[in-house]
Amino acid sequence: QKEVEQDPGPLSVPEGAIVSLNCTYSNSAFQYFMWYRQYSRKGPELLMYTYSSGNKEDGRFTAQVDKSSKYISLFIRDSQPSDSATYLCAMKAAGGTSYGKLTFGQGTILTVHP
Amino acid sequence: SAVISQKPSRDICQRGTSLTIQCQVDSQVTMMFWYRQQPGQSLTLIATANQGSEATYESGFVIDKFPISRPNLTFSTLTVSNLSPEDSSIYLCSVVFGQARSEQYFGPGTRLTVT
Repeated sequence: QKEVEQDPGPLSVPEGAIVSLNCTYSNSAFQYFMWYRQYSRKGPELLMYTYSSGNKEDGRFTAQVDKSSKYISLFIRDSQPSDSATYLCAMKAAGGTSYGKLTFGQGTILTVHP
Repeated sequence: SAVISQKPSRDICQRGTSLTIQCQVDSQVTMMFWYRQQPGQSLTLIATANQGSEATYESGFVIDKFPISRPNLTFSTLTVSNLSPEDSSIYLCSVVFGQARSEQYFGPGTRLTVT
């Protein structure tokens, strides 16, 4: 079993839709949770960074973390064609031998069509 | 925001040769990492580049194949040695500017094709 599981999609939605992206994880040591957006042939761009359980909102993006369920989500409101990309969840522990190391999900390919 | 650059952006190399990839940041960082992204796959950590000392490698990655240098707080190199077609991937450097729990940012990547 992988430490981080993410539905690879692909996910196709119409412009203006609400998009929900999800990851589950098995390692209870993960404390910091990130969402990256990666356009084709580009490096990952950090979208959201959260610590422990709760919600964080930034413009059209909302990140949710539920540590009790080991489940994180990214919601995109009013999706735009420019949101079409691969979305990667990533997480890291607070210390120990994995200090600073990110563990990634497989990535979800999202297409928003006009 | 800081700029992370990588050179080269892409290269095509012959089997058995080596490629050295540079990562330059325009401000000091506390941690630098090298990741590999194989075609259609997610990112896998190769190693943590330690300033002035040997890198810390993840399971499955060895220094002879992926020698890494980090001479200062803003620069690191990754060499992929004795290339084989299986090494065709995107190689990305990643940095942390504060404590290890802080946000992590990625460079644009180097796309390597081995023929």
